[in-house]
Amino acid sequence: GESVGLHLPTLSVQEGDNSIINCAYSNSASDYFIWYKQESGKGPQFIIDIRSNMDKRQGQRVTVLLNKTVKHLSLQIAATQPGDSAVYFCAEKAGGTSYGKLTFGQGTILTVHP
Amino acid sequence: EAQVTQNPRYLITVTGKKLTVTCSQNMNHEYMSWYRQDPGLGLRQIYYSMNVEVTDKGDVPEGYKVSRKEKRNFPLILESPSPNQTSLYFCASSLSSFSNQPQHFGDGTRLSIL
Repeated sequence: GESVGLHLPTLSVQEGDNSIINCAYSNSASDYFIWYKQESGKGPQFIIDIRSNMDKRQGQRVTVLLNKTVKHLSLQIAATQPGDSAVYFCAEKAGGTSYGKLTFGQGTILTVHP
Repeated sequence: EAQVTQNPRYLITVTGKKLTVTCSQNMNHEYMSWYRQDPGLGLRQIYYSMNVEVTDKGDVPEGYKVSRKEKRNFPLILESPSPNQTSLYFCASSLSSFSNQPQHFGDGTRLSIL
């Protein structure tokens, strides 16, 4: 079946650097994408979302880019801080009668070194 | 505070002893869902509910039951737990089943079935 995947399972950066976490998706019918952050012992926390009619969306220190041509999604974190260390998941929702069902990627571990 | 609350957070039990994990949300969300998270397999959907008295199977429903008698509650029932149901479970909710809205997650329930 269709699935969402990640290019890199781990990413280590220095505090203050910018981080980029990538995600490839295979379902061309997906119309909604979400990035989640999961800290140890907690549930996934919503970071930012983007609809398929957009290419870019910015939040506070985060930007999501969507390239539908190559089915690629990325999360950019500016001025990464130690508190950003977590597992990051992308998720997609297929359009039509998917009734809210999300398909999650495996996750990328982001480690920020002081 | 808007939240999804799961109970218990941790449970160790034995094979065959029926258990229920409760989930409650205070955001008047229509859509609720249960996931299990296993190493290397990511988040997989067990069951979901689009509204009161409407439930349906996700990707891995075997061995589980759910009910949605009230909008705020969506309990997960394991009638006869087995060791392969040892996992980390998350409940999630979103405002609508049909529009593109992010799902909000509880902090998880770690089940160990001996």
